[in-house]
Amino acid sequence: DQQVKQNSPSLSVQEGRISILNCDYTNSMFDYFLWYKKYPAEGPTFLISISSIKDKNEDGRFTVFLNKSAKHLSLHIVPSQPGDSAVYFCAASAGGTSYGKLTFGQGTILTVHP
Amino acid sequence: EAEVAQSPRYKITEKSQAVAFWCDPISGHATLYWYRQILGQGPELLVQFQDESVVDDSQLPKDRFSAERLKGVDSTLKIQPAELGDSAMYLCASSKTGDTEAFFGQGTRLTVV
Repeated sequence: DQQVKQNSPSLSVQEGRISILNCDYTNSMFDYFLWYKKYPAEGPTFLISISSIKDKNEDGRFTVFLNKSAKHLSLHIVPSQPGDSAVYFCAASAGGTSYGKLTFGQGTILTVHP
Repeated sequence: EAEVAQSPRYKITEKSQAVAFWCDPISGHATLYWYRQILGQGPELLVQFQDESVVDDSQLPKDRFSAERLKGVDSTLKIQPAELGDSAMYLCASSKTGDTEAFFGQGTRLTVV
């Protein structure tokens, strides 16, 4: 049972344009969401997070939106840069004593073309 | 910048052999995690430590996998015997107690032949 789903395996965007990566979840107990970025042969790097009490969080070029009623979140990257090309993972946590147990989606490969 | 250290980076082992991975978390991080990432999938939690105690090992195949963090600092994950299906990236991560943001090491790429 895939509790966190990233339905787009890949996304291709032109440099300077907006990249939108999507993520859906099924577990109503999830209350904290994170995005990680991963380059080949490296570990995931934390990008940005959002608590379920918010619907938007912004950090520079990265903005995460959360729609709790739809159990959907998205990551917006504006403007996209070639260095953003990587695999992006959405992750969720149920909080409480499970605060550190992250459930990851399958990942979306983002390619930003110069 | 503080990092999670893992070794080795790459490991090739024969089926039925024993293999071990080592992780040194960021200093001051009491919570340590081992994740496994199969190609094309997201990481899956194998075991979580709080200091030297196991908090969650519900997804750890205990017939062949073991993990320890004896002094509450560095940790070792062992597989014995290794099977072909164990080929994956093994990731170690750490966080401060109560923090959800975990910081990952570069991982160990295991290939079982």
